[in-house]
Amino acid sequence: QKEVEQNSGPLSVPEGAIASLNCTYSDRGSQSFFWYRQYSGKSPELIMFIYSNGDKEDGRFTAQLNKASQYVSLLIRDSQPSDSATYLCAVRGSNYKLTFGKGTLLTVNP
Amino acid sequence: GAVVSQHPSRVICKSGTSVKIECRSLDFQATTMFWYRQFPKKSLMLMATSNEGSKATYEQGVEKDKFLINHASLTLSTLTVTSAHPEDSSFYICSASEWGLAGSYEQYFGPGTRLTVT
Repeated sequence: QKEVEQNSGPLSVPEGAIASLNCTYSDRGSQSFFWYRQYSGKSPELIMFIYSNGDKEDGRFTAQLNKASQYVSLLIRDSQPSDSATYLCAVRGSNYKLTFGKGTLLTVNP
Repeated sequence: GAVVSQHPSRVICKSGTSVKIECRSLDFQATTMFWYRQFPKKSLMLMATSNEGSKATYEQGVEKDKFLINHASLTLSTLTVTSAHPEDSSFYICSASEWGLAGSYEQYFGPGTRLTVT
């Protein structure tokens, strides 16, 4: 059973702070890793993807991958109230299917 | 680019009736489309994978005779919920995949369809 684990939160941070979201996965054969943002009542929106160990930065977002530890994280710098949403970690294996975590609810307080 | 649409966005139907949901890739040809279901405060659960011109592959526990999937073209897949019951009320989301640059294989999500069965 392939599993993707996330802390459900809620994670609450003040505006301007760094929000750190974590995810672990069970399938060592996983190849690609994604972070999606989902607002209430809406479908997921791709924020970041990462394939290789290390860090990948895109604007205020940084994804970090450590395959040895089976761990992937998302850092959001200078958090804004508009970043308040549920963040879904998704892992893709060799069959191209995505397995989602349950999501972490992030609240950024003005 | 990579826009996926779904129709309808919201539907209410009576128990025992069937509902069809359309998923379209608007600006690319989708080799594969995926159908997900999401219950309140839960994550997305993959229901089935459909490839154009072939039968869909259903995940364990998903009834293929209840959730009929047709992928007749590279831009359209449909999900029909047959004999719907209140427990089928959920948020149904499709995604479409295409091969990207450097051999990547991205999934682009539609806006979802909120189904309520009364």
